[in-house]
Amino acid sequence: KAGVTQTPRYLIKTRGQQVTLSCSPISGHRSVSWYQQTPGQGLQFLFEYFSETQRNKGNFPGRFSGRQFSNSRSEMNVSTLELGDSALYLCASSLPDAWPATNEKLFFGSGTQLSVL
Amino acid sequence: DAKTTQPNSMESNEEEPVHLPCNHSTISGTDYIHWYRQLPSQGPEYVIHGLTSNVNNRMASLAIAEDRKSSTLILHRATLRDAAVYYCILNKDSGNTPLVFGKGTRLSVIA
Repeated sequence: KAGVTQTPRYLIKTRGQQVTLSCSPISGHRSVSWYQQTPGQGLQFLFEYFSETQRNKGNFPGRFSGRQFSNSRSEMNVSTLELGDSALYLCASSLPDAWPATNEKLFFGSGTQLSVL
Repeated sequence: DAKTTQPNSMESNEEEPVHLPCNHSTISGTDYIHWYRQLPSQGPEYVIHGLTSNVNNRMASLAIAEDRKSSTLILHRATLRDAAVYYCILNKDSGNTPLVFGKGTRLSVIA
């Protein structure tokens, strides 16, 4: 079974631009969550989707948004990029039978490395 | 959020057992203890989790203190491929709560 796929693997943008990152979860997984990883802050939760609905949101500005499609694939968008948005963006999927999920294991992709110049 | 405390780094010789400690003195009765690890240039990978009893799987063992205020991840024979950052996380069983990753322990394995 294929793992979590994130595209693109690397991305270079300039300040003020916007970017869209894509995540394809493991087949059959219904929940997708996004994390931002930086050397200074570590892994920080961005948001989580289940059945096309955002269920949780982390403490990030409104420039960060996401969505989930009916096939569970997810995208996240960052508008008006800032230098501080340079990070590894990780997507994880899990297989809850219902929401709220209890004690689910997360399966992570390899991430998208975003550099903002 | 319930917090965990781990050493910043540890070192082990190859083929030796490794005991990675984690303190979670504010754990509540419904919190599961999860361990993930992150190898270089990869996303985190699930290792093991438990509630009260010790747990074993093909990757590792998890020893949980009787009062549940601490736990230890045990790698029985460290290999070079086990060099990674190991995260100890409390996961509430009440649902609707995302995993909160701390700084983790960076494990170095020496050949």
